[in-house]
Amino acid sequence: DQQVKQNSPSLSVQEGRISILNCDYTNSMFDYFLWYKKYPAEGPTFLISISSIKDKNEDGRFTVFLNKSAKHLSLHIVPSQPGDSAVYFCAASPVKSDRGSTLGRLYFGRGTQLTVWP
Amino acid sequence: EAQVTQNPRYLITVTGKKLTVTCSQNMNHEYMSWYRQDPGLGLRQIYYSMNVEVTDKGDVPEGYKVSRKEKRNFPLILESPSPNQTSLYFCASRLGPINTEAFFGQGTRLTVV
Repeated sequence: DQQVKQNSPSLSVQEGRISILNCDYTNSMFDYFLWYKKYPAEGPTFLISISSIKDKNEDGRFTVFLNKSAKHLSLHIVPSQPGDSAVYFCAASPVKSDRGSTLGRLYFGRGTQLTVWP
Repeated sequence: EAQVTQNPRYLITVTGKKLTVTCSQNMNHEYMSWYRQDPGLGLRQIYYSMNVEVTDKGDVPEGYKVSRKEKRNFPLILESPSPNQTSLYFCASRLGPINTEAFFGQGTRLTVV
């Protein structure tokens, strides 16, 4: 069963506007969260992360928000640019092993295809 | 340059012919993993390794083997490939188990006919 879910397979946004990508998780052992960006024919590249002790982390145009009580995180891209068009994966890492998760593993969502049009 | 290197990038093979995809990292990372990416299914972990000689199954280990004899290398072995193993494969490494990101290789596009 998927422990990290990205319920929107795709998102289309106009250049200059905000892109909001969402991610939900089910395992309360997850305490570190990451976003990856993937272009076709390339490996995923790390974009931004957030620890559970924070509710927001910002890096340039990219901000990740974490709502622990809702087990929800989101990635905001402002302003969106055509070069941001890619698949975005959300991932989670547990603080320790339990029945549903193993320390050291990353658990990925299925990804959201973001298209930014001019 | 810090990197994860996979070889080959592209491979077409026939059913049943054993193959190995190599993965090497130069960052002295403890953790290494193999994933496969299929349309609509995202990144699914095949195997991972916490250190030399320590490996464990991921979510889709059937039909695959791995070994970790040295810290830098983590080859993926398909003893008898089948068409349902046609996929895009990624190797990744991670410094430690907590609060670190994973670095991915460029991917290996495998086609089994």
